Amino acid sequence: QKEVEQNSGPLSVPEGAIASLNCTYSDRGSQSFFWYRQYSGKSPELIMSIYSNGDKEDGRFTAQLNKASQYVSLLIRDSQPSDSATYLCAPEGLGNEKLTFGTGTRLTIIP
Amino acid sequence: EAEVAQSPRYKITEKSQAVAFWCDPISGHATLYWYRQILGQGPELLVQFQDESVVDDSQLPKDRFSAERLKGVDSTLKIQPAELGDSAMYLCASSLARGTGELFFGEGSRLTVL
Repeated sequence: QKEVEQNSGPLSVPEGAIASLNCTYSDRGSQSFFWYRQYSGKSPELIMSIYSNGDKEDGRFTAQLNKASQYVSLLIRDSQPSDSATYLCAPEGLGNEKLTFGTGTRLTIIP
Repeated sequence: EAEVAQSPRYKITEKSQAVAFWCDPISGHATLYWYRQILGQGPELLVQFQDESVVDDSQLPKDRFSAERLKGVDSTLKIQPAELGDSAMYLCASSLARGTGELFFGEGSRLTVL
């Protein structure tokens, strides 16, 4: 089992719709979770962090965390073509403060 | 806006040659990371520094890779000898402190080994 699993996609979503990106992780001790966005040919950039079970909203982005199920997701509302990118899930290991990145989900927003 | 500087942006080398990458983190950032990203995969941590000390190099292939951050500021990652499988993007990132999860990445150094 991989430490961090994401559907590699590509995930195609019509403009204006909700994009749902999912991630499962194996380290039960992880307490902090991060979503990074990576445009093609560019470096990753942090877009969301979540530490507690439940939802966290920031503009059009909502992160959801369920530690019991070892599951974290990212919702993007009113998807825009500029949201087309690869989204990387990165839990932080307990005690080692090390981010482990998933392989990422490639999202394409169709105008 | 402060950025993480990396050089060179692109490097083409033949196998068995030596190659070096340089990184200058955002001023004041104590933690520096070197990641390797193979096309289609997520970044993989090679080495993490806290100031000038290595805090994690468990995934660094030490027979051929070395990294240093002598004065706790800029850092160099070296590969000698390079192998075909080393072709990847080498990303440097920095953060204000360990455990924040907020990493600022440089533009990366793309290595092609022929």
